[in-house]
Amino acid sequence: SFELTQPPSVSVSPGQTASITCSGNKLGDKYVSWYQQKPGQSPVLVMYQDNKRPSGIPGRFAGSNFGNTAALTITGTQTMDEAQYYCQAWDSNTAVFGGGTKLTVL
Amino acid sequence: EVQLLESGGDLVQPGGSLSLSCAASGFTFTIYAMSWVRQAPGKGLEWLSVVSNSNGSTYYADSVKGRFTISRDNSKNTLYLQMNSLRAEDTAIYYCARGSSAIPQGVFDIWGQGTMVTVSS
Repeated sequence: SFELTQPPSVSVSPGQTASITCSGNKLGDKYVSWYQQKPGQSPVLVMYQDNKRPSGIPGRFAGSNFGNTAALTITGTQTMDEAQYYCQAWDSNTAVFGGGTKLTVL
Repeated sequence: EVQLLESGGDLVQPGGSLSLSCAASGFTFTIYAMSWVRQAPGKGLEWLSVVSNSNGSTYYADSVKGRFTISRDNSKNTLYLQMNSLRAEDTAIYYCARGSSAIPQGVFDIWGQGTMVTVSS
């Protein structure tokens, strides 16, 4: 079955660039979405169709997807960006989430 | 305001059944596919099921196929999840999520606040 693999954790200093990866077989052939979830809150869509930002998502968020790896990049990371991030793609009629990456800003 | 409000979460015994609802407001419900996604305590997101905008197509994760049934009532702007033969591993927060289009394979652009289901004796 199709699987998405994310690193469990990523750390970044405030103002620096954070990159969260998501790997899957021929992932570049699929559209990838990214969701941000803060403790006690519901997930929020922060990127879709690989590199499109929903309304209200800051421009410091960017996405890419090529080959077997997608990435969510946050430029000038802020403390408010500390959260769990999940990638997601569709494999035929099944939605698949990555295991999630805890982004720590310190 | 675009909103999804889940209800129906409860404590249920293993082998039991439970029905969840998700009331939609602030948008034209009939246009969008809808999904259920769950999150076990301290764990990641797990997609469960999707229904197309017209109830014409439904799909399920292997973990719930044959036990859970997704449906919608477009006249009531409500999504449902009927859960049977519940197991301890079904314990989770259950979210409904709006797909970004009528077809199932959309982006989850709106999420509800979730409802907690606990399966325990």
